[in-house]
Amino acid sequence: DAGVTQSPTHLIKTRGQQVTLRCSPKSGHDTVSWYQQALGQGPQFIFQYYEEEERQRGNFPDRFSGHQFPNYSSELNVNALLLGDSALYLCASSLWTGYKNIQYFGAGTRLSVL
Amino acid sequence: DQQVKQNSPSLSVQEGRISILNCDYTNSMFDYFLWYKKYPAEGPTFLISISSIKDKNEDGRFTVFLNKSAKHLSLHIVPSQPGDSAVYFCAASERGNKLVFGAGTILRVKS
Repeated sequence: DAGVTQSPTHLIKTRGQQVTLRCSPKSGHDTVSWYQQALGQGPQFIFQYYEEEERQRGNFPDRFSGHQFPNYSSELNVNALLLGDSALYLCASSLWTGYKNIQYFGAGTRLSVL
Repeated sequence: DQQVKQNSPSLSVQEGRISILNCDYTNSMFDYFLWYKKYPAEGPTFLISISSIKDKNEDGRFTVFLNKSAKHLSLHIVPSQPGDSAVYFCAASERGNKLVFGAGTILRVKS
């Protein structure tokens, strides 16, 4: 049973460019959440997708957008990259219950913006 | 606005002894709490969780305690093993919504 998979593993971009990160959830999961983890900090919530719609959004600008496909996989898009967007981007999947919220994480995509 | 805090950046423990990691929160609406472990170059791995209606949950060597009046939870690892050396994150959620994480505590278990 494959867990959460993310691609690519590493990515180097320059300021102003756009990037797309991809995530396949754990089998049986219907909800995908994205987090940004800066060095020395805990993961920060970006947004969550359920039934192909954005359910909840954290305090991130509109440059961050996403999508969930009918097979529950998801993409995170970041436009007009800034140096401060350099971070580890984590995808987590879960089965929506409305209460018990155990999220399972992928290994992440390390984004470097030069 | 840091709703979840882990005030100890690091902890060093001898193999076989107890490791106690602490976490404080401010949002009284949190109803579910989790601990994750993270190794370098890997994503966080779920360890153990507890709902707000309980004050203790055990899973093998791991026990989580919740003190709602103090808005405090702790993770006990007994006995500690060198393979437990990792970064431990405390997280909380409200009604199944986003996870709010602390900054993490680096645990080093010395053999």
